[in-house]
Amino acid sequence: GENVEQHPSTLSVQEGDSAVIKCTYSDSASNYFPWYKQELGKRPQLIIDIRSNVGEKKDQRIAVTLNKTAKHFSLHITETQPEDSAVYFCAASIDDYKLSFGAGTTVTVRA
Amino acid sequence: DADVTQTPRNRITKTGKRIMLECSQTKGHDRMYWYRQDPGLGLRLIYYSFDVKDINKGEISDGYSVSRQAQAKFSLSLESAIPNQTALYFCATSDPGGSTDTQYFGPGTRLTVL
Repeated sequence: GENVEQHPSTLSVQEGDSAVIKCTYSDSASNYFPWYKQELGKRPQLIIDIRSNVGEKKDQRIAVTLNKTAKHFSLHITETQPEDSAVYFCAASIDDYKLSFGAGTTVTVRA
Repeated sequence: DADVTQTPRNRITKTGKRIMLECSQTKGHDRMYWYRQDPGLGLRLIYYSFDVKDINKGEISDGYSVSRQAQAKFSLSLESAIPNQTALYFCATSDPGGSTDTQYFGPGTRLTVL
């Protein structure tokens, strides 16, 4: 099955700086790559996703890039704010519904 | 607002007990999922269902069973709970006919098996 590795496991950034989280996947047939954000004590929520026919996607301060050749994708958060503090999960899927998640990255934004 | 709900929110049980976690949704979605979350392991898929008659095993189905009683209800059972099933369990839904493949998660059930 699909194996998704996520790095780093923890990330501390100064408010206003950028944060980057990287994921690699094993199955070259994967074609859907969502990112979920989970605030402390809350449920995971989708923040952005990308499909394999697109190399980059942006939504305000967040962006995701995909390198199919290298089988890795990354989440970029610019101008970080305290409300960006959360656990972020990447995932990969070959069929849009059976998601294989990474282990998560705990992001802390320091004021 | 349409939502995904789970009951109970917290449960403590003993080894060997049978326990059922319930999930209901008012989103009108056909697809429903059960995941477990463990620290350092992310979310892992236990079972998923496309409709009442279509139930499929996920990555870690051993020790679990499910029932899709209606489009809106999907239950997860632990026939004989064991301590390593202590985890946070999430139900989720998605709409295959929708404009996105977003999975919408419930609030979670924290299960402790002593």
